Amino acid sequence: QSVLTQPPSATATPGQRVTISCSGSSSNIGSNAVNWYQHLPGAAPRLLIYNTDRRPSGVPARFSGSKSGTSASLAVSGLKSEDEADYYCATWDDDLHGVLFGGGTQLTVL
Amino acid sequence: QVQLVQSGPEVKKPGAAVRVSCKASGNTLAKFYIHWVRRAPGQGLEWMATINPTGSYTRYAQKFQGRVTVTRDMSASTIYMDLSSLRSDDTAVYYCVKELNEFSSSFYFDSWGQGTLVTVSS
Repeated sequence: QSVLTQPPSATATPGQRVTISCSGSSSNIGSNAVNWYQHLPGAAPRLLIYNTDRRPSGVPARFSGSKSGTSASLAVSGLKSEDEADYYCATWDDDLHGVLFGGGTQLTVL
Repeated sequence: QVQLVQSGPEVKKPGAAVRVSCKASGNTLAKFYIHWVRRAPGQGLEWMATINPTGSYTRYAQKFQGRVTVTRDMSASTIYMDLSSLRSDDTAVYYCVKELNEFSSSFYFDSWGQGTLVTVSS
């Protein structure tokens, strides 16, 4: 069981907007930046969002991140079939002195 | 574009050790922190370790303390991850990952190697 809690799955249709949540505590999300990763089958993971709401070069503006208190969210708008992947949140934990990943959310685009 | 090229798949018996290598293009190792992350079958991503550009500093996840060692060979532009006392639940794909920004350890996992499958089986 992950310290960072994500819904195991999410489903949406092309063109829709979907939000994936990540719930933590004061020692992790509450006091540190949150990052989001996309992991497509058979590929290496990809950094989507860093420092809670910043996008690396090359990541479309359809992807956005936010945080409130001890929870964070990844929003994907204008869904495309190629967005079907596993999505992970990650952050530093001050008590565990290490990086934590959420359990991952499998996004299905119908 | 930075490239991280990892060594090939490994099959090990329980109790053995494994070394996974990660060769970086250009001057990457001189400027960037390198991390190791794994994904076991049916499981999520898991951070294991981090090494700084000079190799003088390493940080390990509590779960792997005493079993994992990360080193670097600057002349070969290569990072090594050694994992000992292997168990069946160490079966996973292991990734080396470059930090996003130079000389920064913000744990922004930017460029990923292709992954190395380590199978632990008797």
